[in-house]
Amino acid sequence: DAGVTQSPTHLIKTRGQQVTLRCSPKSGHDTVSWYQQALGQGPQFIFQYYEEEERQRGNFPDRFSGHQFPNYSSELNVNALLLGDSALYLCASSSGRADSPLHFGNGTRLTVT
Amino acid sequence: RKEVEQDPGPFNVPEGATVAFNCTYSNSASQSFFWYRQDCRKEPKLLMSVYSSGNEDGRFTAQLNRASQYISLLIRDSKLSDSATYLCVVFRGGADGLTFGKGTHLIIQP
Repeated sequence: DAGVTQSPTHLIKTRGQQVTLRCSPKSGHDTVSWYQQALGQGPQFIFQYYEEEERQRGNFPDRFSGHQFPNYSSELNVNALLLGDSALYLCASSSGRADSPLHFGNGTRLTVT
Repeated sequence: RKEVEQDPGPFNVPEGATVAFNCTYSNSASQSFFWYRQDCRKEPKLLMSVYSSGNEDGRFTAQLNRASQYISLLIRDSKLSDSATYLCVVFRGGADGLTFGKGTHLIIQP
């Protein structure tokens, strides 16, 4: 039973570029949430997808967008990268309610230079 | 005031001791509460949910005080493997997802 898988594990981009991160949820889960975790900080909620729609969104600019596919996998896109976007991006899957326990992937470490 | 606040520590505790830490939340309408554990360079993992009546899971006890708007985590007979960052998580409903605190860093010393 595969858990949450994310790709790539590491990524280096330059300012102004665009990036796409991918996530496959745990088997049986239909909801995907994305979090940004800067060094020494707790994860910050970006958004949550359910039934291929954005159900909830945190306080992130429109440069951050996402998508959920019919197989429940998800993508996080970030446009016009800034140095401050450097962080660990965590995908978490869950099922049912919006406050259901989250199962996290190992994350994608994004470095913007 | 931040939505979820935790003492970042580190808490240095000898093996076998009991340790407790709190987390305060600002929104009285918050509905659900959790403790997650995050090891260094790893993803967060659910430790336990926190119920109004308080709940226990082995050496771990979680409590919720709605009047004072805080939750607590107590670890008894601490083990070296308990060394980690403990994240307080609050859900207030509506358009918000789960809100994480910055975490409390716990170091169990032999």
